[in-house]
Amino acid sequence: NAGVTQTPKFRVLKTGQSMTLLCAQDMNHEYMYWYRQDPGMGLRLIHYSVGEGTTAKGEVPDGYNVSRLKKQNFLLGLESAAPSQTSVYFCASSYQDRGGIDEQFFGPGTRLTVL
Amino acid sequence: QKEVEQDPGPLSVPEGAIVSLNCTYSNSAFQYFMWYRQYSRKGPELLMYTYSSGNKEDGRFTAQVDKSSKYISLFIRDSQPSDSATYLCAVPDKLIFGTGTRLQVFP
Repeated sequence: NAGVTQTPKFRVLKTGQSMTLLCAQDMNHEYMYWYRQDPGMGLRLIHYSVGEGTTAKGEVPDGYNVSRLKKQNFLLGLESAAPSQTSVYFCASSYQDRGGIDEQFFGPGTRLTVL
Repeated sequence: QKEVEQDPGPLSVPEGAIVSLNCTYSNSAFQYFMWYRQYSRKGPELLMYTYSSGNKEDGRFTAQVDKSSKYISLFIRDSQPSDSATYLCAVPDKLIFGTGTRLQVFP
């Protein structure tokens, strides 16, 4: 199993450009998440999905949109990139066993620079 | 008040030292707590978890919870250079992470 994969690994954008980050998981997990990680800020939740066709806002959703058309994929879009969106983006998925521990499995990250 | 707060470090220790990593949390209703480890330029991975009712030991790692002071700790015994990473505490509810403590173990 590949686990959680992210595409692309690196990207440089100019201010105002748009792009889509793709996350895929092969563990049949219901829940998927997008985080950004910045120095001194830790991991902050952008958006998440509790199942195919659903999305919800996290802590820092402004400037981002997401879609979950297929259970195994979760897309993060930047419509008009800004330098403040320079960050490392992580996708994660989880099984959400209500009776147990919600372990999230993370992808390798996408390093995005907005000039 | 943030749900979970963590000293960012960095922490630099010699090989073989005992390391103590700490977080404080605000919501006494949390049922369990987690520690993730993140190597440089990698995604975080779950290291261990402990329920709010007790401690847990896994090899050289021990996770403790002090409910009275809302304090969670991760202890690493006989630290190794391979333990050099960022350690993040996390609490449930879509997982809220601490800022992470960067640990460097030098030979």
